[in-house]
Amino acid sequence: NAGVTQTPKFQVLKTGQSMTLQCAQDMNHEYMSWYRQDPGMGLRLIHYSVGAGITDQGEVPNGYNVSRSTTEDFPLRLLSAAPSQTSVYFCASRVEQGSGTEAFFGQGTRLTVV
Amino acid sequence: AQSVAQPEDQVNVAEGNPLTVKCTYSVSGNPYLFWYVQYPNRGLQFLLKYITGDNLVKGSYGFEAEFNKSQTSFHLKKPSALVSDSALYFCAVRELGTDKLIFGTGTRLQVFP
Repeated sequence: NAGVTQTPKFQVLKTGQSMTLQCAQDMNHEYMSWYRQDPGMGLRLIHYSVGAGITDQGEVPNGYNVSRSTTEDFPLRLLSAAPSQTSVYFCASRVEQGSGTEAFFGQGTRLTVV
Repeated sequence: AQSVAQPEDQVNVAEGNPLTVKCTYSVSGNPYLFWYVQYPNRGLQFLLKYITGDNLVKGSYGFEAEFNKSQTSFHLKKPSALVSDSALYFCAVRELGTDKLIFGTGTRLQVFP
């Protein structure tokens, strides 16, 4: 049971490049989400999904796209990277049993945009 | 809007002493509150949560948290700190009916030998 797996662990992009951060979970969780972590700001929600085919915006969605074609996968796409997107990105998942279930987090992807 | 505040950027404590990491929240209804810990270069690990019931919640690694509705607080505590408890701690609240987990800015706990 691997839990939540994120790839890659590290990435350096040039301004304007695009890339996809991968996230997969093997726990059959309905809910998945993406956060970014910046110093002094905690974690902020980018996008989330309550099930396959359903996504919604979080607190900081601009510059990011997501899709959820399967229960297991929830990729995050950066269409045109900007230095402001330099951050550590975390994917999380949880089972749908009301609002009281805890989220499980991946190990993170450290992204630098130069 | 729901929010979480962690008023201390860093907490220093000697090994063996009790520790407290503070968290206050603001929600419009009943809160679902969580504590997570992050070790260097790692993801977040769940410690404990308050949903309903007893105000004192026990979690992993000997941690506990006290829910205080009148003070809108959910402070994390441990009776005897270990050097290995040194990490970044996050308090979070979930917005009802959504998957939006709202985090505080984090408190770095440093336990000195």
